[in-house]
Amino acid sequence: GENVEQHPSTLSVQEGDSAVIKCTYSDSASNYFPWYKQELGKRPQLIIDIRSNVGEKKDQRIAVTLNKTAKHFSLHITETQPEDSAVYFCAASRGFQKLVFGTGTRLLVSP
Amino acid sequence: EAGVTQFPSHSVIEKGQTVTLRCDPISGHDNLYWYRRVMGKEIKFLLHFVKESKQDESGMPNNRFLAERTGGTYSTLKVQPAELEDSGVYFCASSHRGGNQPQHFGDGTRLSIL
Repeated sequence: GENVEQHPSTLSVQEGDSAVIKCTYSDSASNYFPWYKQELGKRPQLIIDIRSNVGEKKDQRIAVTLNKTAKHFSLHITETQPEDSAVYFCAASRGFQKLVFGTGTRLLVSP
Repeated sequence: EAGVTQFPSHSVIEKGQTVTLRCDPISGHDNLYWYRRVMGKEIKFLLHFVKESKQDESGMPNNRFLAERTGGTYSTLKVQPAELEDSGVYFCASSHRGGNQPQHFGDGTRLSIL
């Protein structure tokens, strides 16, 4: 079955710096890759997603890139702010099937 | 639109007791999923309903877990009898019919087994 690896497990940056989180997946049939942000005690919130027919997608300060050949995808956050501090999860799935999550990255943005 | 709602938000029970969690998906969402996050680890899939039918229950840990979605609306997840290792946060998510639709999560139920 699908296996998703996520790195780093923790990431500390200064406000205004960029943050990059990387994930790799094993199932070449996976075609949908969402990213979720989970603040302490709150629900996982979808922040951006990408489908396998696209190589890059941007939404303001957030971007995701996908390399299907290498089977890895990354989340890029520019101009980080303290409110970006949270746990970020990558995931992979086929169509409307289950999401397989990475182990999460705890991002800390210091003022 | 109202989001995915889960009840209760917290539940503390003793080992051997029974607990039932409830999830109300976003109205009109045919797909309903249950996930669990244990001890700060990754979020793991439990099962997937399409309307009232179980599409995939490969993540259910054992037969102490029973999920239902009668009528294709809300869903319940019963744990009977509860064991210590069942502690964790149980999330429900829902999505529209069709491929690659975003899954929207509820706030989760934090289950503690003593």
